[in-house]
Amino acid sequence: DAGVIQSPRHEVTEMGQEVTLRCKPISGHDYLFWYRQTMMRGLELLIYFNNNVPIDDSGMPEDRFSAKMPNASFSTLKIQPSEPRDSAVYFCASSPYRDRGLSGYTFGSGTRLTVV
Amino acid sequence: GDSVTQMEGPVTLSEEAFLTINCTYTATGYPSLFWYVQYPGEGLQLLLKATKADDKGSNKGFEATYRKETTSFHLEKGSVQVSDSAVYFCALSSYYNQGGKLIFGQGTELSVKP
Repeated sequence: DAGVIQSPRHEVTEMGQEVTLRCKPISGHDYLFWYRQTMMRGLELLIYFNNNVPIDDSGMPEDRFSAKMPNASFSTLKIQPSEPRDSAVYFCASSPYRDRGLSGYTFGSGTRLTVV
Repeated sequence: GDSVTQMEGPVTLSEEAFLTINCTYTATGYPSLFWYVQYPGEGLQLLLKATKADDKGSNKGFEATYRKETTSFHLEKGSVQVSDSAVYFCALSSYYNQGGKLIFGQGTELSVKP
């Protein structure tokens, strides 16, 4: 299994531009999570999906952030327009439904976003 | 709501020293407990877990015991190596609360010097 695949690994963009982060979960995993990690705020859960349906987006910082999961093998996190304070490492993670309380999550390697 | 509290870092140790990173939790029901490790530039990896009281999780020389009476899950290693330098996260998951979401502590940075 290739694990959770995120792309790109690094993204540098100018303020005001649209940024799209991508994630491919592990096949068969029903849950998908988007996290943001910064030095100041640590690890924050932004949104999570179950069977492609958003369950809890209360962690999404504002309307500039949106996330979709059009099918079981792909999800995107979009920031439009981007701002320098969005600079962070964004992680995607997935988990199987039946034992998500026992196995924990599998994380991707993250996307390091820098907004200048 | 459920929460996890870890000891603050950074923790700096010499090689072969004994490691303890404290973790306590607050949860309703009977959560599963986890330790994740994040090496520089990488994502979080599951290090070990315990799913019920008195269980001991172990991996790569690290151990943690699920103590329900003290609501703790302290991480220990008898002899650390430079390669153990990383950030360690304690986490809990409660199937019957919050939909099984993982609740993370703030992370503890460990630096091991030769």
